[in-house]
Amino acid sequence: KNEVEQSPQNLTAQEGEFITINCSYSVGISALHWLQQHPGGGIVSLFMLSSGKKKHGRLIATINIQEKHSSLHITASHPRDSAVYICAVRSGTTSGTYKYIFGTGTRLKVLA
Amino acid sequence: EPEVTQTPSHQVTQMGQEVILRCVPISNHLYFYWYRQILGQKVEFLVSFYNNEISEKSEIFDDQFSVERPDGSNFTLKIRSTKLEDSAMYFCASSERGSLMSNQPQHFGDGTRLSIL
Repeated sequence: KNEVEQSPQNLTAQEGEFITINCSYSVGISALHWLQQHPGGGIVSLFMLSSGKKKHGRLIATINIQEKHSSLHITASHPRDSAVYICAVRSGTTSGTYKYIFGTGTRLKVLA
Repeated sequence: EPEVTQTPSHQVTQMGQEVILRCVPISNHLYFYWYRQILGQKVEFLVSFYNNEISEKSEIFDDQFSVERPDGSNFTLKIRSTKLEDSAMYFCASSERGSLMSNQPQHFGDGTRLSIL
Protein backbone atom coordinates (compact mmCIF):
# COMPACT_ATOMS: atom_id res chain seq x y z
CA LYS A 1 0.00 0.00 0.00
CA ASN A 2 1.29 3.45 -0.90
CA GLU A 3 2.15 5.69 2.03
CA VAL A 4 0.54 8.60 0.19
CA GLU A 5 -2.69 8.06 -1.70
CA GLN A 6 -4.43 10.53 -3.96
CA SER A 7 -7.90 10.52 -5.38
CA PRO A 8 -9.14 10.69 -7.97
CA GLN A 9 -6.38 9.49 -10.27
CA ASN A 10 -7.96 11.23 -13.25
CA LEU A 11 -10.41 14.08 -13.33
CA THR A 12 -12.09 15.83 -16.23
CA ALA A 13 -14.02 18.99 -15.52
CA GLN A 14 -15.78 21.71 -17.45
CA GLU A 15 -14.40 25.20 -17.29
CA GLY A 16 -15.75 27.04 -14.26
CA GLU A 17 -16.32 23.96 -12.12
CA PHE A 18 -15.14 23.68 -8.52
CA ILE A 19 -12.53 20.93 -8.24
CA THR A 20 -11.37 18.94 -5.24
CA ILE A 21 -8.35 16.65 -5.15
CA ASN A 22 -7.74 14.55 -2.07
CA CYS A 23 -4.59 13.24 -0.41
CA SER A 24 -4.39 10.74 2.45
CA TYR A 25 -1.19 9.57 4.09
CA SER A 26 -0.25 6.90 6.58
CA VAL A 27 3.13 8.14 7.89
CA GLY A 28 4.06 10.78 10.40
CA ILE A 29 4.73 14.06 8.69
CA SER A 30 5.92 17.53 9.50
CA ALA A 31 4.40 19.15 6.43
CA LEU A 32 2.54 18.42 3.23
CA HIS A 33 3.35 19.91 -0.14
CA TRP A 34 1.05 20.34 -3.12
CA LEU A 35 2.89 20.44 -6.44
CA GLN A 36 1.84 20.96 -10.02
CA GLN A 37 3.49 19.08 -12.87
CA HIS A 38 2.92 20.31 -16.41
CA PRO A 39 3.04 18.12 -19.55
CA GLY A 40 6.67 19.08 -20.16
CA GLY A 41 7.53 17.52 -16.80
CA GLY A 42 8.55 20.54 -14.74
CA ILE A 43 7.39 20.66 -11.14
CA VAL A 44 6.07 23.83 -9.54
CA SER A 45 5.42 24.27 -5.85
CA LEU A 46 1.88 25.38 -5.00
CA PHE A 47 1.57 25.15 -1.24
CA MET A 48 3.34 23.78 1.76
CA LEU A 49 1.23 23.46 4.88
CA SER A 50 1.37 21.79 8.24
CA SER A 51 -1.99 22.87 9.63
CA GLY A 52 -5.20 24.63 8.72
CA LYS A 53 -5.72 26.21 5.36
CA LYS A 54 -3.86 28.25 2.78
CA LYS A 55 -5.22 30.23 -0.15
CA HIS A 56 -3.50 31.59 -3.23
CA GLY A 57 -5.66 33.02 -5.95
CA ARG A 58 -8.15 30.37 -7.02
CA LEU A 59 -6.34 27.61 -5.15
CA ILE A 60 -7.14 26.56 -1.61
CA ALA A 61 -5.36 23.83 0.35
CA THR A 62 -6.50 22.37 3.65
CA ILE A 63 -4.99 19.79 5.94
CA ASN A 64 -6.35 17.78 8.86
CA ILE A 65 -3.40 16.35 10.76
CA GLN A 66 -5.54 14.15 13.00
CA GLU A 67 -7.26 12.54 10.04
CA LYS A 68 -4.05 12.48 7.96
CA HIS A 69 -5.83 14.06 5.05
CA SER A 70 -5.40 17.09 2.82
CA SER A 71 -7.47 18.56 0.02
CA LEU A 72 -6.61 20.88 -2.83
CA HIS A 73 -9.49 22.92 -4.20
CA ILE A 74 -9.57 24.90 -7.43
CA THR A 75 -12.36 27.41 -7.79
CA ALA A 76 -13.60 28.60 -11.19
CA SER A 77 -11.39 26.09 -13.01
CA HIS A 78 -9.81 27.04 -16.31
CA PRO A 79 -8.20 24.99 -19.11
CA ARG A 80 -4.81 26.35 -18.08
CA ASP A 81 -5.26 24.49 -14.76
CA SER A 82 -4.87 21.23 -16.69
CA ALA A 83 -1.88 19.44 -15.20
CA VAL A 84 -0.94 16.65 -12.82
CA TYR A 85 -1.34 17.67 -9.18
CA ILE A 86 0.94 15.87 -6.78
CA CYS A 87 0.73 15.58 -3.03
CA ALA A 88 4.06 15.06 -1.26
CA VAL A 89 4.50 14.61 2.48
CA ARG A 90 7.63 15.60 4.32
CA SER A 91 8.70 12.82 6.60
CA GLY A 92 11.63 12.61 8.97
CA THR A 93 14.69 10.47 8.29
CA THR A 94 17.13 8.70 10.56
CA SER A 95 19.70 11.44 9.99
CA GLY A 96 17.38 14.12 11.32
CA THR A 97 16.73 15.67 7.95
CA TYR A 98 13.69 14.95 5.85
CA LYS A 99 12.59 13.52 2.56
CA TYR A 100 9.50 13.76 0.49
CA ILE A 101 7.21 10.84 -0.17
CA PHE A 102 5.13 11.46 -3.25
CA GLY A 103 1.63 10.48 -4.18
CA THR A 104 0.91 9.10 -7.61
CA GLY A 105 -0.68 12.33 -8.76
CA THR A 106 -4.09 13.39 -10.03
CA ARG A 107 -4.30 14.15 -13.72
CA LEU A 108 -6.69 17.06 -14.20
CA LYS A 109 -8.11 18.10 -17.54
CA VAL A 110 -10.32 21.15 -17.72
CA LEU A 111 -12.36 21.47 -20.88
CA ALA A 112 -13.30 24.83 -22.38
CA GLU B 1 12.82 34.79 -8.45
CA PRO B 2 15.81 32.49 -7.98
CA GLU B 3 15.38 29.03 -9.43
CA VAL B 4 17.05 25.64 -9.60
CA THR B 5 18.53 24.95 -13.03
CA GLN B 6 19.32 21.55 -14.49
CA THR B 7 21.38 20.59 -17.51
CA PRO B 8 21.02 19.02 -19.94
CA SER B 9 17.27 18.97 -20.41
CA HIS B 10 17.56 15.69 -22.30
CA GLN B 11 20.42 13.19 -22.25
CA VAL B 12 20.63 10.13 -24.48
CA THR B 13 23.25 7.57 -23.50
CA GLN B 14 24.21 4.05 -24.50
CA MET B 15 23.68 1.33 -21.90
CA GLY B 16 26.80 0.79 -19.83
CA GLN B 17 28.06 4.35 -20.26
CA GLU B 18 28.57 6.79 -17.42
CA VAL B 19 26.33 9.83 -17.25
CA ILE B 20 26.53 12.98 -15.15
CA LEU B 21 23.46 15.11 -14.54
CA ARG B 22 24.09 18.64 -13.41
CA CYS B 23 22.16 20.98 -11.17
CA VAL B 24 22.72 24.51 -9.96
CA PRO B 25 20.73 24.95 -6.75
CA ILE B 26 19.48 28.30 -5.47
CA SER B 27 22.52 30.15 -4.18
CA ASN B 28 21.70 30.46 -0.48
CA HIS B 29 20.33 26.94 -0.16
CA LEU B 30 22.27 24.40 1.85
CA TYR B 31 20.34 21.16 1.30
CA PHE B 32 20.18 19.37 -2.01
CA TYR B 33 18.15 16.46 -3.29
CA TRP B 34 17.77 14.20 -6.28
CA TYR B 35 14.53 12.51 -7.29
CA ARG B 36 13.59 10.42 -10.27
CA GLN B 37 10.34 9.76 -12.08
CA ILE B 38 10.07 6.78 -14.38
CA LEU B 39 7.63 7.45 -17.19
CA GLY B 40 4.07 7.04 -15.98
CA GLN B 41 5.09 6.48 -12.37
CA LYS B 42 5.32 8.64 -9.30
CA VAL B 43 8.28 10.71 -8.24
CA GLU B 44 10.72 8.82 -5.98
CA PHE B 45 13.30 10.14 -3.55
CA LEU B 46 16.90 9.20 -4.33
CA VAL B 47 19.23 11.10 -2.02
CA SER B 48 19.66 14.17 0.14
CA PHE B 49 22.97 16.00 0.61
CA TYR B 50 24.22 18.51 3.14
CA ASN B 51 27.61 19.80 4.19
CA ASN B 52 29.36 17.80 1.49
CA GLU B 53 27.97 14.48 2.50
CA ILE B 54 24.94 12.32 1.93
CA SER B 55 22.30 12.80 4.62
CA GLU B 56 19.88 10.13 3.51
CA LYS B 57 19.51 7.80 0.55
CA SER B 58 16.82 5.45 -0.65
CA GLU B 59 17.18 1.81 -1.61
CA ILE B 60 17.20 2.95 -5.24
CA PHE B 61 20.47 4.84 -4.68
CA ASP B 62 22.85 1.89 -4.98
CA ASP B 63 26.59 1.77 -5.68
CA GLN B 64 26.03 2.80 -9.30
CA PHE B 65 24.93 6.25 -8.12
CA SER B 66 27.00 9.00 -6.60
CA VAL B 67 26.52 12.68 -5.86
CA GLU B 68 29.02 15.46 -5.59
CA ARG B 69 29.24 19.18 -5.07
CA PRO B 70 32.40 19.83 -7.05
CA ASP B 71 32.40 23.58 -6.49
CA GLY B 72 30.33 26.24 -4.78
CA SER B 73 27.48 26.17 -7.24
CA ASN B 74 27.04 22.78 -8.94
CA PHE B 75 25.47 19.62 -7.57
CA THR B 76 25.86 16.52 -9.71
CA LEU B 77 24.37 13.05 -9.93
CA LYS B 78 26.55 10.41 -11.56
CA ILE B 79 25.39 7.03 -12.76
CA ARG B 80 28.47 4.88 -13.39
CA SER B 81 27.20 2.17 -15.70
CA THR B 82 23.75 2.98 -16.94
CA LYS B 83 21.04 0.36 -17.36
CA LEU B 84 17.89 0.50 -19.42
CA GLU B 85 15.83 0.88 -16.25
CA ASP B 86 17.68 4.09 -15.39
CA SER B 87 15.66 5.82 -18.10
CA ALA B 88 13.61 8.42 -16.25
CA MET B 89 13.22 12.09 -15.53
CA TYR B 90 15.64 13.18 -12.84
CA PHE B 91 14.75 16.17 -10.71
CA CYS B 92 17.10 18.18 -8.57
CA ALA B 93 15.74 20.19 -5.64
CA SER B 94 17.19 22.45 -3.01
CA SER B 95 16.04 23.99 0.23
CA GLU B 96 17.36 26.61 2.56
CA ARG B 97 17.09 24.31 5.53
CA GLY B 98 16.55 20.62 5.93
CA SER B 99 15.54 20.14 9.51
CA LEU B 100 12.26 18.42 10.13
CA MET B 101 10.65 21.43 11.74
CA SER B 102 11.73 23.95 9.12
CA ASN B 103 8.95 25.47 7.08
CA GLN B 104 11.20 25.96 4.10
CA PRO B 105 9.91 24.07 1.05
CA GLN B 106 12.05 22.39 -1.56
CA HIS B 107 12.40 24.12 -4.90
CA PHE B 108 12.56 21.88 -7.94
CA GLY B 109 14.40 22.18 -11.22
CA ASP B 110 12.71 21.40 -14.54
CA GLY B 111 14.34 17.98 -14.69
CA THR B 112 16.68 16.09 -17.01
CA ARG B 113 15.11 13.43 -19.16
CA LEU B 114 17.58 10.53 -19.33
CA SER B 115 17.10 7.99 -22.09
CA ILE B 116 19.23 4.85 -22.06
CA LEU B 117 19.49 3.00 -25.37
